Amino acid sequence: KNEVEQSPQNLTAQEGEFITINCSYSVGISALHWLQQHPGGGIVSLFMLSSGKKKHGRLIATINIQEKHSSLHITASHPRDSAVYICVTPISNFGNEKLTFGTGTRLTIIP
Amino acid sequence: NAGVTQTPKFHILKIGQSMTLQCTQDMNHNYMYWYRQDPGMGLKLIYYSVGAGITDKGEVPNGYNVSRSTTEDFPLRLELAAPSQTSVYFCASSWVHNSPLHFGNGTRLTVT
Repeated sequence: KNEVEQSPQNLTAQEGEFITINCSYSVGISALHWLQQHPGGGIVSLFMLSSGKKKHGRLIATINIQEKHSSLHITASHPRDSAVYICVTPISNFGNEKLTFGTGTRLTIIP
Repeated sequence: NAGVTQTPKFHILKIGQSMTLQCTQDMNHNYMYWYRQDPGMGLKLIYYSVGAGITDKGEVPNGYNVSRSTTEDFPLRLELAAPSQTSVYFCASSWVHNSPLHFGNGTRLTVT
């Protein structure tokens, strides 16, 4: 079982819809990253957060440390938001913290 | 700032050949990582480094070697290339493990 689970795996929505992507993790963490990867493209870091909420343009990321859960929201979605979204967190493994990746959510926004 | 720079962007390697993928960052980051991403799959950690002179294995280290002689550079060496190493390789860096991640643009490697 992956220590970092994302849902849904795939999401297709109409342009303008409000999008939510979820990330759950099984152990205590110090921070969580949200990444975006466009088809055939590079990887961009969207957010790094350890508590509360962060907003950047139409993107909002929240984290609930007690519930071990984070969400990425996209308001007024646009076809250019189509990408794979990945949550990443350092998971402690015998004293070493290694970045553990979620399985990714493939988002497709239809015009 | 150039950020994280990977070279080459593309390469075709014959089975049994060796090559080095270069990664350099100009942000004075301590942590550096090498990942591979197979088609339609997620990122898998090959090796990582928490500072100059310190490296450690990730999930899929077999067939690869790394070194970290300077803070800036973290080259990935493929010895005796195999078709299973056909993948896109990403290098990343961060100040510490819980600070923002910066990725290179990737190296697309084909082994035939």
